[in-house]
Amino acid sequence: NAGVTQTPKFQVLKTGQSMTLQCAQDMNHNSMYWYRQDPGMGLRLIYYSASEGTTDKGEVPNGYNVSRLNKREFSLRLESAAPSQTSVYFCASRDSTGTRKAFFGQGTRLTVV
Amino acid sequence: QKEVEQNSGPLSVPEGAIASLNCTYSDRGSQSFFWYRQYSGKSPELIMSIYSNGDKEDGRFTAQLNKASQYVSLLIRDSQPSDSATYLCAVILEGGFKTIFGAGTRLFVKA
Repeated sequence: NAGVTQTPKFQVLKTGQSMTLQCAQDMNHNSMYWYRQDPGMGLRLIYYSASEGTTDKGEVPNGYNVSRLNKREFSLRLESAAPSQTSVYFCASRDSTGTRKAFFGQGTRLTVV
Repeated sequence: QKEVEQNSGPLSVPEGAIASLNCTYSDRGSQSFFWYRQYSGKSPELIMSIYSNGDKEDGRFTAQLNKASQYVSLLIRDSQPSDSATYLCAVILEGGFKTIFGAGTRLFVKA
């Protein structure tokens, strides 16, 4: 019962480097989300995908891009990392009907130096 | 104005007391509301969902929703030290997909 799987769990980048955070879910959910969490800020929505083939901006999209590769996978890319992007990143998925409960991955702790 | 507002706390209650957590939201079209609990260094986990006005009880937890006042609350009865965590209020905005979280309220239950 994997649920939502994020990789990597930890990453250190130098300013200006690029990287992609991977997320996959095995619950056949339509909607997927990327959040970042900074101390005292709760979860802030970066991008979301309501269904396969669609993506939309959230509250803090600047500096990020996303790809909904298929129904299972939703990746987050940092093209040129900045120290302000140091954060914990969470991927989540949920179904569009029923309880609409969100399931979260274990998080990626990213440090940009 | 943030779309979902919570008092960041910390809220400190003695063991066995009732903890009351509050949340307000700005989107009048929102239909689905959630409370998540997050322990330090862990992922959020759902503890309550509520969709219609009134109260919803599940064990020691009661969620309350007042759409006219755009207000959601969570009551934790007989608080235990294991309830010490950050509680996040979440709202699915009108449209049914965009899910926004509040900043969270830190709760400490003193033994």
